[in-house]
Amino acid sequence: SQKIEQNSEALNIQEGKTATLTCNYTNYSPAYLQWYRQDPGRGPVFLLLIRENEKEKRKERLKVTFDTTLKQSLFHITASQPADSATYLCALDPRNTDKLIFGTGTRLQVFP
Amino acid sequence: GAVVSQHPSWVICKSGTSVKIECRSLDFQATTMFWYRQFPKQSLMLMATSNEGSKATYEQGVEKDKFLINHASLTLSTLTVTSAHPEDSSFYICSVTGGNSDTQYFGPGTRLTVL
Repeated sequence: SQKIEQNSEALNIQEGKTATLTCNYTNYSPAYLQWYRQDPGRGPVFLLLIRENEKEKRKERLKVTFDTTLKQSLFHITASQPADSATYLCALDPRNTDKLIFGTGTRLQVFP
Repeated sequence: GAVVSQHPSWVICKSGTSVKIECRSLDFQATTMFWYRQFPKQSLMLMATSNEGSKATYEQGVEKDKFLINHASLTLSTLTVTSAHPEDSSFYICSVTGGNSDTQYFGPGTRLTVL
């Protein structure tokens, strides 16, 4: 079956460390993959998009990698801050129809 | 990115009543809007794609007669939950595609509680 997996367990890290979140997918060959941030009771906020021909993309303290062979994307937050605490969702468009399928998300908790 | 609003932000209704949720694109003319539903501790599930001036397309398993979608203008789409039941209680979120159609911009969501 087709699915997107993210670590359902919360990730707890200390402020200043690098947080690394994983997104694995099966039976898809997406042209791109996206990462969103969602705070409790709020809609997701777009963070980064990485295309299949891009190995890595950066935006300020964020870095995303995309390995189409492993069918995996890694999302890194460097110099993490308590304000980075949220749930992070990966999403992809398996049929290039603008319809996104989301992973279950990983909750990140950054403590001082 | 596009700014999207939803109204109301939360609503409580009695079982059997209908509830309308509005989604507005404030600074972008959206020919396509999406409606999602999110249950506690679960991910977003796409319910339907709302196309301006035409009928919405629904995902498999979503009852089109229960979840009525109207996309009357380029800035407004509405979702009406008809004859709501407690199992319809959820977080409903809309989104629009931006200038780069690969990206979606989401509204703040509407929390529906059916008693």
